[in-house]
Amino acid sequence: GESVGLHLPTLSVQEGDNSIINCAYSNSASDYFIWYKQESGKGPQFIIDIRSNMDKRQGQRVTVLLNKTVKHLSLQIAATQPGDSAVYFCAENTGFQKLVFGTGTRLLVSP
Amino acid sequence: KAGVTQTPRYLIKTRGQQVTLSCSPISGHRSVSWYQQTPGQGLQFLFEYFSETQRNKGNFPGRFSGRQFSNSRSEMNVSTLELGDSALYLCASSLDGGLGDSPLHFGNGTRLTVT
Repeated sequence: GESVGLHLPTLSVQEGDNSIINCAYSNSASDYFIWYKQESGKGPQFIIDIRSNMDKRQGQRVTVLLNKTVKHLSLQIAATQPGDSAVYFCAENTGFQKLVFGTGTRLLVSP
Repeated sequence: KAGVTQTPRYLIKTRGQQVTLSCSPISGHRSVSWYQQTPGQGLQFLFEYFSETQRNKGNFPGRFSGRQFSNSRSEMNVSTLELGDSALYLCASSLDGGLGDSPLHFGNGTRLTVT
């Protein structure tokens, strides 16, 4: 069946550090992946996406890496700030915008 | 441009009642999806609509239904509420629902509590 899982439920970093959030997916046929950030009391906020024909994609302070060989996805946040504290979800698009979400990783940034 | 708007933000209902949640997508977006978020099950897909047609449905009982209007606004309905229906219901919209071309943008959800 379809499943997207996260390795670490909580990640604590110091302000200014780089953060890496990992995600494993099981559907090798999936060709589109998305990272979302969810703050308390809000809906998931789109961060960055990547197609399976790419290995890496960069945004502002964020980079997503995709390793199709081992079905692994990661989100790198450079110079992490307190405002980055949130729960991060990876999601796999299985068609017609049916997203399968991971369980989420809570990122805690200490000043 | 205004984001996805969901109303109401909070609802408290009693078991056995029914509830209707409303969603206004981002202007120009024609695809609307609904998700349920609970601490135990995480984010789960309910259904997706495009041009007033349901194109995809998740594994939820028939008590969960939805519709989309000609202006792309959407509603979802839950009948005969159960305690387990307590959750955050999220609506998301995208331009056309196509794979990889227009990511989903979520609203802030409706928090439903069933007592």
